[in-house]
Amino acid sequence: AQKITQTQPGMFVQEKEAVTLDCTYDTSDPSYGLFWYKQPSSGEMIFLIYQGSYDQQNATEGRYSLNFQKARKSANLVISASQLGDSAMYFCAMRAHSGNTPLVFGKGTRLSVIA
Amino acid sequence: DGGITQSPKYLFRKEGQNVTLSCEQNLNHDAMYWYRQDPGQGLRLIYYSQIVNDFQKGDIAEGYSVSREKKESFPLTVTSAQKNPTAFYLCASSTTGREVRKAFFGQGTRLTVV
Repeated sequence: AQKITQTQPGMFVQEKEAVTLDCTYDTSDPSYGLFWYKQPSSGEMIFLIYQGSYDQQNATEGRYSLNFQKARKSANLVISASQLGDSAMYFCAMRAHSGNTPLVFGKGTRLSVIA
Repeated sequence: DGGITQSPKYLFRKEGQNVTLSCEQNLNHDAMYWYRQDPGQGLRLIYYSQIVNDFQKGDIAEGYSVSREKKESFPLTVTSAQKNPTAFYLCASSTTGREVRKAFFGQGTRLTVV
């Protein structure tokens, strides 16, 4: 079984600053994927970034990067140059690569960007 | 445009009634999922299906039922046995296999018991 822990219920960041959202995970599967999703107040889930457990480099997508530390089982999301539109809920999720298992989500972090 | 459509966006149910939430996708995905979201709880898996005419229970399946008669459709019925059905319901789909398999989500249905 997989488990995702997000320990920050809420975070504040100044516009144009960088922010790190924490995510730790637990799994016994040797091969897995880690995902981050953004959920604005409208409710839709927007895929941000993916990291495979065997990927050698940390994933980056525009202003989003994933700080993957496999030995510590952490997959923190870094958002650079925060914008007001980044205010939303952010969810970390994972899936084992074997067995077509569904995504398992953490409880989320609410990010508020301040002007 | 390809995507997932959930309907209705808002749904009100009287106590003791069954209601069905619709989820349709035109992404040609084999796998479909239903999640429930409550404040502070994140997304919890209700049911999922990896192929037509087959589905598996998730972590909180009690009081819910599903069917998968067509690849494109995965409706969720909230039965009167569900003790606290007021929540936000999200449907998702993905490919199967060993690739990335990111999930695509619908816009959600907000169910309220009145």
